[in-house]
Amino acid sequence: GESVGLHLPTLSVQEGDNSIINCAYSNSASDYFIWYKQESGKGPQFIIDIRSNMDKRQGQRVTVLLNKTVKHLSLQIAATQPGDSAVYFCAGGDSSYKLIFGSGTRLLVRP
Amino acid sequence: DARVTQTPRHKVTEMGQEVTMRCQPILGHNTVFWYRQTMMQGLELLAYFRNRAPLDDSGMPKDRFSAEMPDATLATLKIQPSEPRDSAVYFCASGLIPGGSSSDTQYFGPGTRLTVL
Repeated sequence: GESVGLHLPTLSVQEGDNSIINCAYSNSASDYFIWYKQESGKGPQFIIDIRSNMDKRQGQRVTVLLNKTVKHLSLQIAATQPGDSAVYFCAGGDSSYKLIFGSGTRLLVRP
Repeated sequence: DARVTQTPRHKVTEMGQEVTMRCQPILGHNTVFWYRQTMMQGLELLAYFRNRAPLDDSGMPKDRFSAEMPDATLATLKIQPSEPRDSAVYFCASGLIPGGSSSDTQYFGPGTRLTVL
């Protein structure tokens, strides 16, 4: 069935290190994916998106990789900062434009 | 800085009472979504509209929930009567969808935290 899931519920990294958050999806019809960041008490905030015809997209300190063969995507955050501490969600969308969200990964940045 | 706004931010009510949550989408966005977030279920899509017309409300309990867009600047989600199991954070999101070559991103509001006693 349609689902987007995450491998790890919590990720703890040292400040300054790179973070990698993983996500698996099952809907082959998903043609775009979005990563959101949600801080406590706030709504999900758009970070970066990627279309299914791409395998990599870079933003400021973030990179999203998409592997359609194994239905997996990842979010890489370079030089992780305390302000990056949050819950990160991946979401997949298809031609209906409805997003299916994963369960989220909590990123903790150790000083 | 265009943002989705939601009111109220917090609502505490008693079981059986009517609850109305409001959302102002980003100006120019044609699609509005309502989500519910709980620890157990995560983010669930309740309903969405395009150009004010309801497209899908299959995620919404029909007997007590209703969603409307009286005009392009206001979306409402109503629960009547409310029950303790409705306690959650309700998010509104808007987007310009389809975006063509640009993203079909949904932009979220700050949410309404609902507690039904």
